[in-house]
Amino acid sequence: GENVEQHPSTLSVQEGDSAVIKCTYSDSASNYFPWYKQELGKRPQLIIDIRSNVGEKKDQRIAVTLNKTAKHFSLHITETQPEDSAVYFCAAYNFGNEKLTFGTGTRLTIIP
Amino acid sequence: GAGVSQTPSNKVTEKGKYVELRCDPISGHTALYWYRQSLGQGPEFLIYFQGTGAADDSGLPNDRFFAVRPEGSVSTLKIQRTERGDSAVYLCASSFRTDSQETQYFGPGTRLLVL
Repeated sequence: GENVEQHPSTLSVQEGDSAVIKCTYSDSASNYFPWYKQELGKRPQLIIDIRSNVGEKKDQRIAVTLNKTAKHFSLHITETQPEDSAVYFCAAYNFGNEKLTFGTGTRLTIIP
Repeated sequence: GAGVSQTPSNKVTEKGKYVELRCDPISGHTALYWYRQSLGQGPEFLIYFQGTGAADDSGLPNDRFFAVRPEGSVSTLKIQRTERGDSAVYLCASSFRTDSQETQYFGPGTRLLVL
């Protein structure tokens, strides 16, 4: 089955600086990669996603890159703000087996 | 419109008891997923429904866990003879499957504590 690894597990960034979270996946058949943000005690919320036919996608301060050959994808947050503090999860989805596999999460703390 | 809802939000039970957790998906979403999330971990897949049938139940940890979705909308996750190790947040998600995108929208979860 699919295995998704995520690094780092914790990340502290000065407000205004950029944050980068990286994930690797094992199943080359995975073709959809969402990122979720989860605040303490709240539900995971989709913040951005990318499909395997696209190398990069950007939405305001958030961008995701995908390298299918290397089987890794990354989340980039620029001009970080205190409200960006949360746990971020990457995930990989395979349309074939219809299963979404999550990484172990990154706890991002923005230091004011 | 209304998002995915789950009830109860919290459930405390004693070891050996039976519990039912309910999920109301977004109206019109045909796919429904159950996940379990332990502290400090990502959601772990349990079972997936497409319509009324369980398309994949390979994530259920053992036969104490069972889920139904009799009318293709609301789903119930049932846990028999609960154990302390079952304590976790149980998340439900739904999606409107298309061939080009599979966005899962999550509910707030049920926090289960087995004493």
